[in-house]
Amino acid sequence: AQKITQTQPGMFVQEKEAVTLDCTYDTSDPSYGLFWYKQPSSGEMIFLIYQGSYDQQNATEGRYSLNFQKARKSANLVISASQLGDSAMYFCAMRDPRGGGGNKLTFGTGTQLKVEL
Amino acid sequence: NAGVTQTPKFQVLKTGQSMTLQCAQDMNHEYMSWYRQDPGMGLRLIHYSVGAGITDQGEVPNGYNVSRSTTEDFPLRLLSAAPSQTSVYFCASSSGTGFFQPQHFGDGTRLSIL
Repeated sequence: AQKITQTQPGMFVQEKEAVTLDCTYDTSDPSYGLFWYKQPSSGEMIFLIYQGSYDQQNATEGRYSLNFQKARKSANLVISASQLGDSAMYFCAMRDPRGGGGNKLTFGTGTQLKVEL
Repeated sequence: NAGVTQTPKFQVLKTGQSMTLQCAQDMNHEYMSWYRQDPGMGLRLIHYSVGAGITDQGEVPNGYNVSRSTTEDFPLRLLSAAPSQTSVYFCASSSGTGFFQPQHFGDGTRLSIL
């Protein structure tokens, strides 16, 4: 069974600084996809970034980048130049090719990020 | 640019009542799913559908029913509400089974069972 572990329940970062949110995963499948979602206090789930298991390069999307270390089974999210609007809950998720018709997402428990002035 | 639309946004029920949470998407996505989010936990899959007329159970299906008569709609029915079903419910859709396809989520329905 797949498992996603996010060991940081809460994180603080100063505005304009970079922050890394940790995510480790466990799977026996050679093909998988890793996603990060942002959930602000308003409650919606916002897709941020995707990394495929066969991707040679780390994914980047604007201020978001994914530090993918396949051998360590980690997929950490890096947010550069933090902004107050980045304060939110962040979820790491993995697509399970064997569950939910190949579309099931297994989620971690999330990291609550607070950006301070 | 509606995406995934869930109604209602909030609902309070009494134990034993039934209700339907509505979900509609306008992106012609084949895949739709329902998740629930409980405090301190990530989202867990309730039911999913890979196309009209095809549904299957996720990891926490008990007490819920679904149907998919059209590509656009995927309602979730609570047959006899229980306090353990107090949660935030998210509907999601994606265009296929490719690993790179992100799932698009609705804004959620916050449900309280008294």
